[in-house]
Amino acid sequence: GQSLEQPSEVTAVEGAIVQINCTYQTSGFYGLSWYQQHDGGAPTFLSYNALDGLEETGRFSSFLSRSDSYGYLLLQELQMKDSASYFCAVSLGFQKLVFGTGTRLLVSP
Amino acid sequence: EPEVTQTPSHQVTQMGQEVILRCVPISNHLYFYWYRQILGQKVEFLVSFYNNEISEKSEIFDDQFSVERPDGSNFTLKIRSTKLEDSAMYFCASSAGRMNTEAFFGQGTRLTVV
Repeated sequence: GQSLEQPSEVTAVEGAIVQINCTYQTSGFYGLSWYQQHDGGAPTFLSYNALDGLEETGRFSSFLSRSDSYGYLLLQELQMKDSASYFCAVSLGFQKLVFGTGTRLLVSP
Repeated sequence: EPEVTQTPSHQVTQMGQEVILRCVPISNHLYFYWYRQILGQKVEFLVSFYNNEISEKSEIFDDQFSVERPDGSNFTLKIRSTKLEDSAMYFCASSAGRMNTEAFFGQGTRLTVV
């Protein structure tokens, strides 16, 4: 089976930089995605890495290393509204996302 | 901005009853999905649907579950005989592309089985 592990919780202050890691045990996946989910809300797409390396989208960057079975999401210039849960997910098979365990990010003033 | 819409937002049902959760995917998307999330846990894949048939399903998606696209806009998930453990948030999603690079999720239906 597949497993994607993330830290359960990360705390940081406004304006800081935080990195959320994702280690996985799977093979044959197309890419690694990151989704944000506010309490009671829907997962919202943030970023996707099909290839190894860094992808930058505004304040958010995502990194993938297939050889290390590892990826991360980097959030810069943290804002209070960034407090949410963040999930990594791998694209498997025909059309299927397998989500990680999720990381709850708490941003304080 | 186009969005995936789901109805109802909250459904309470008695154990053993049938429920139908409804979704309207984004109009030009071709791939449709159902996921569920038990409170406080991760999002779990249930099923994907393309060209009027199931493309892939998880072990959770047993004979109690079925999906249908009854017309050109709706996509439904039916649970034939609900169990207590079916209580969860059910998310519908759609994507334009095959590799699930960006799936757009609806706001979810919270199903409570009592």
